[in-house]
Amino acid sequence: GQNIDQPTEMTATEGAIVQINCTYQTSGFNGLFWYQQHAGEAPTFLSYNVLDGLEEKGRFSSFLSRSKGYSYLLLKELQMKDSASYLCAVKDSNYQLIWGAGTKLIIKP
Amino acid sequence: GAVVSQHPSWVICKSGTSVKIECRSLDFQATTMFWYRQFPKQSLMLMATSNEGSKATYEQGVEKDKFLINHASLTLSTLTVTSAHPEDSSFYICSAAEQGDWSPLHFGNGTRLTVT
Repeated sequence: GQNIDQPTEMTATEGAIVQINCTYQTSGFNGLFWYQQHAGEAPTFLSYNVLDGLEEKGRFSSFLSRSKGYSYLLLKELQMKDSASYLCAVKDSNYQLIWGAGTKLIIKP
Repeated sequence: GAVVSQHPSWVICKSGTSVKIECRSLDFQATTMFWYRQFPKQSLMLMATSNEGSKATYEQGVEKDKFLINHASLTLSTLTVTSAHPEDSSFYICSAAEQGDWSPLHFGNGTRLTVT
């Protein structure tokens, strides 16, 4: 079956750096996406990776290793507003999006 | 960037009535839109894939006669929850992607449905 694993919850301190990992086992791969979802709101698109390596976008970066079935989202200079759930999603061989359960990130002052 | 608009943001209805939720892609055409449901503290659950000009594709366990989907144009899909019951109370979110295999999904703001 298809599976995406990410930690359920993480805690970090304001101003620090946090890395949220995502491992996947899917039938084929056509891109990996990261979304941010604040409580009670819809997800918003953060980044996507198609090729191996690091994609940087301001305070957020996303890394992909297709051979390892692994990605991470790196958040720098954490702010209180970064408290949210972070969803990892992979497009499989049929271009269907497979979603992880999300990682709830708690930022403490 | 691509914008998806969803309306209404929230709705309260009585048990047995029907509710229609609209999803529009504002600055791009979407041949395919997706409808998700999310219960509190749970992950997104894909309900159905809405295809412009043809029937929607429903995920296993989703009743197509209860959740009617109409994708009448390249910018509008509607989800109607028919004969709603309290267990249908949830957060419903639509999404769409621009053309291209690598295009990310963009989500509407969601509709919080409460059935009393």
